[in-house]
Amino acid sequence: EDKVVQSPLSLVVHEGDTVTLNCSYEVTNFRSLLWYKQEKKAPTFLFMLTSSGIEKKSGRLSSILDKKELFSILNITATQTGDSAVYLCAVESSGADGLTFGKGTHLIIQP
Amino acid sequence: DAGVIQSPRHEVTEMGQEVTLRCKPISGHDYLFWYRQTMMRGLELLIYFNNNVPIDDSGMPEDRFSAKMPNASFSTLKIQPSEPRDSAVYFCASSLPGPGANVLTFGAGSRLTVL
Repeated sequence: EDKVVQSPLSLVVHEGDTVTLNCSYEVTNFRSLLWYKQEKKAPTFLFMLTSSGIEKKSGRLSSILDKKELFSILNITATQTGDSAVYLCAVESSGADGLTFGKGTHLIIQP
Repeated sequence: DAGVIQSPRHEVTEMGQEVTLRCKPISGHDYLFWYRQTMMRGLELLIYFNNNVPIDDSGMPEDRFSAKMPNASFSTLKIQPSEPRDSAVYFCASSLPGPGANVLTFGAGSRLTVL
C-alpha cells in the first residue's frame, strides 16, 4: 500500500520566518509528487515534481525532490500571514489509482 | 471556466437518511475523482471515473456508498443510509487526460454532518 508521510503535522512561526515542510513516501513505481495548498476550501495546486534535484520555484515558494531518499521539501521564505494553510503532499504511482495524499502540515503564520 | 462545482456546500442530516452529493467537473476533463477528508484520515480516494466509466471504487467504504456519472458533466455520490461516521468533507476533483491526468482541480467540497 502506498504511503505518504508529512512532517511536521503543525507549525507556528512568525511573519518573515522561513519554513521547510517535509514529505516522505513509500510507493510502488513512483511517477510524480505534487504539492497542494488548502486554505478554508479546496486544495489548490502548487507544484508537480518528477525529477530529482530540479528545483521548482514560484515566488517565495520552492520545492525539490529526492527520488533516491524518497522525499520532497517545500520551502517558503519571508512568510506572510496569507501563507497560513494546510500544505498537502500527494504522490502518483503505478501501484495505486489517483493520488495518495499525506495528512498535511498545518502552517500558521503569526503577525 | 467556473471550475469544479459541488453542491450542496453544507449538509446536516440525521442518521439513516439518504444523502446525495453532486459534482460538475471542468469541461474537457476526462477524469473525475471523489475524495473524502477527515482530520483523522486526511484525504482518501473513494472512486474515480474516466470518460464516465468507474475505474476503481476500492476506496468506497461499504455498500452504503454509491457513485454514478451519467454524462461527462455530472456525477453524484450517494450515501444510503447515512451514519455519523460518514461526517466529513467530500471533495470532487477533475483532471485532463494524458500527461495532465495527475494534476487535479478540486471543487470547494461538501461538508456533511450526520447527527
